[in-house]
Amino acid sequence: NAGVTQTPKFQVLKTGQSMTLQCAQDMNHNSMYWYRQDPGMGLRLIYYSASEGTTDKGEVPNGYNVSRLNKREFSLRLESAAPSQTSVYFCASSEWLGGETQYFGPGTRLLVL
Amino acid sequence: AQTVTQSQPEMSVQEAETVTLSCTYDTSENNYYLFWYKQPPSRQMILVIRQEAYKQQNATENRFSVNFQKAAKSFSLKISDSQLGDTAMYFCAFRSGGSNYKLTFGKGTLLTVNP
Repeated sequence: NAGVTQTPKFQVLKTGQSMTLQCAQDMNHNSMYWYRQDPGMGLRLIYYSASEGTTDKGEVPNGYNVSRLNKREFSLRLESAAPSQTSVYFCASSEWLGGETQYFGPGTRLLVL
Repeated sequence: AQTVTQSQPEMSVQEAETVTLSCTYDTSENNYYLFWYKQPPSRQMILVIRQEAYKQQNATENRFSVNFQKAAKSFSLKISDSQLGDTAMYFCAFRSGGSNYKLTFGKGTLLTVNP
């Protein structure tokens, strides 16, 4: 039981490049989330998926897209990376949208030059 | 909108001693959940402890306990017998009850445990 896994762990991009961050959970959770963490700030929600087949915008969705590929997997895509997207990205999951506890992955550190 | 405030950006404690991290929040709701997450240098966000607002009893998890003061909207974390492995950033987080998913995080407190 690995919990929530994320790939890659670290990535360097040039401005304008695209990439997809992958996230998978093996806890049979219905809901999944993408957060970003910037220095001096707590985590901020980018997108979430209440259940397979649904996605919704969070607090800071601009510049991102997501795909809920199946119940296990939830990916985050940067179509044209910008330096402002340099951050640490966390994926999380919970049993359902109102589930008490969200469990986090190890994070992906992204540097956009 | 809910806000979560952690007024101590950094704290330090000697190994084996006790330390308390502060957290206050602002909400007009009566039903909600509060969390403390630990983020060690590995950056993994690890759930430390959880408190349901409708429960008067303070949550405890081994060396970790909370002092939940609902009227004062205060949710402090006490770490007893501090260990070097407790060195981490600690985040307080709030979530509304019901079907509201949104977790609101404080800015964190960096705790250093000194040998």
